[in-house]
Amino acid sequence: GAVVSQHPSRVICKSGTSVKIECRSLDFQATTMFWYRQFPKQSLMLMATSNEGSKATYEQGVEKDKFLINHASLTLSTLTVTSAHPEDSSFYICSGTSGAQETQYFGPGTRLLVL
Amino acid sequence: SQQGEEDPQALSIQEGENATMNCSYKTSINNLQWYRQNSGRGLVHLILIRSNEREKHSGRLRVTLDTSKKSSSLLITASRAADTASYFCATAGRGYNQGGKLIFGQGTELSVKP
Repeated sequence: GAVVSQHPSRVICKSGTSVKIECRSLDFQATTMFWYRQFPKQSLMLMATSNEGSKATYEQGVEKDKFLINHASLTLSTLTVTSAHPEDSSFYICSGTSGAQETQYFGPGTRLLVL
Repeated sequence: SQQGEEDPQALSIQEGENATMNCSYKTSINNLQWYRQNSGRGLVHLILIRSNEREKHSGRLRVTLDTSKKSSSLLITASRAADTASYFCATAGRGYNQGGKLIFGQGTELSVKP
């Protein structure tokens, strides 16, 4: 199947700093990428949908000024958590899909810990 | 918002036994997908069943879909210790504005004891 990578896999930062997470589709062109957040022992919550070259569409309750998403190319999307706080500590997972494909291909996730 | 309810939340079985997980959803769907997640890792796509399909097989996996009851089940036959993971159903809604979004259920944590 198609491969999606995320970098970094794990990051620890101080409260108030910003953190950038990269999501890359390695062997396909991801016209749409999705960003999810997962708290321990919980399910994935969709944060935003990102189409290449367009502004991201955020789910209700997700602050677009706090979670900046850029999808500048067909193989790269980034999520920047600005002014991170301890409550932003979570597992962030991206996925990509191509064209009219119904299956999303998920990255391995990034564990963020804000101290 | 999460629309999927899964049961059981946790399931513990012996190797060789079958495992059945159920998923219910609330809105009309285009398809329903099952994913697996090993602890602290990303998701792996297992199987997709479309709204006009009733049953699908893939290896030791069998998925059923009942759109009248808005429910689906995932059966893993002859389970192995390596099947230990969390299993999530996810629905893709109808409509152009859905944009391929998936709404995930709460998940079932499966533990297969050797």
